[in-house]
Amino acid sequence: GAVVSQHPSRVICKSGTSVKIECRSLDFQATTMFWYRQFPKQSLMLMATSNEGSKATYEQGVEKDKFLINHASLTLSTLTVTSAHPEDSSFYICSARKAGGAVETQYFGPGTRLLVL
Amino acid sequence: TQLLEQSPQFLSIQEGENLTVYCNSSSVFSSLQWYRQEPGEGPVLLVTVVTGGEVKKLKRLTFQFGDARKDSSLHITAAQPGDTGLYLCAGSRDDKIIFGKGTRLHILP
Repeated sequence: GAVVSQHPSRVICKSGTSVKIECRSLDFQATTMFWYRQFPKQSLMLMATSNEGSKATYEQGVEKDKFLINHASLTLSTLTVTSAHPEDSSFYICSARKAGGAVETQYFGPGTRLLVL
Repeated sequence: TQLLEQSPQFLSIQEGENLTVYCNSSSVFSSLQWYRQEPGEGPVLLVTVVTGGEVKKLKRLTFQFGDARKDSSLHITAAQPGDTGLYLCAGSRDDKIIFGKGTRLHILP
């Protein structure tokens, strides 16, 4: 199989602090990882595309200085929510595409629920 | 602008009934996918349809891709409470996956 994990699964933090979320491909190499945000009762919204060894590409309306993405290896991408505020509370989901894989073949992580107080 | 429109947004029906969920777009997609998501979990891929007019079956679920590759449908026969969940259609565009808004399905026992 192709397994993607996320850590932590849940996190609660105070307003103004930064939170780092990890996305790992456990049994395959992922040249590309994607970060999504999902608000309650809504669908997944793509935030950014993370390519190993290069800068992430952010979707329109997503602040790159607030949502820092690092894809330092072929199995790990991190999303750091800087100076988090209550409106950043959401369900963050990553997906990973195998090296050489088709664009529609992405494996999704279990998600990280962030609550900012 | 929502590239993929899903309907209905919500559906609550009795166990044993049949239902169809639709995914429509004004754009052509090389493929469309259907996912199911449980609360607090990531989406799980059900099927990918690639060829216009293609029909795929997964037990009681039947997926169809429109001839023009702009729309797709998901038909569930004899729905069961275990089918409850959020059903998402998604298409590939510009090297990334774009999701529809989803259909929240609730099957009453």
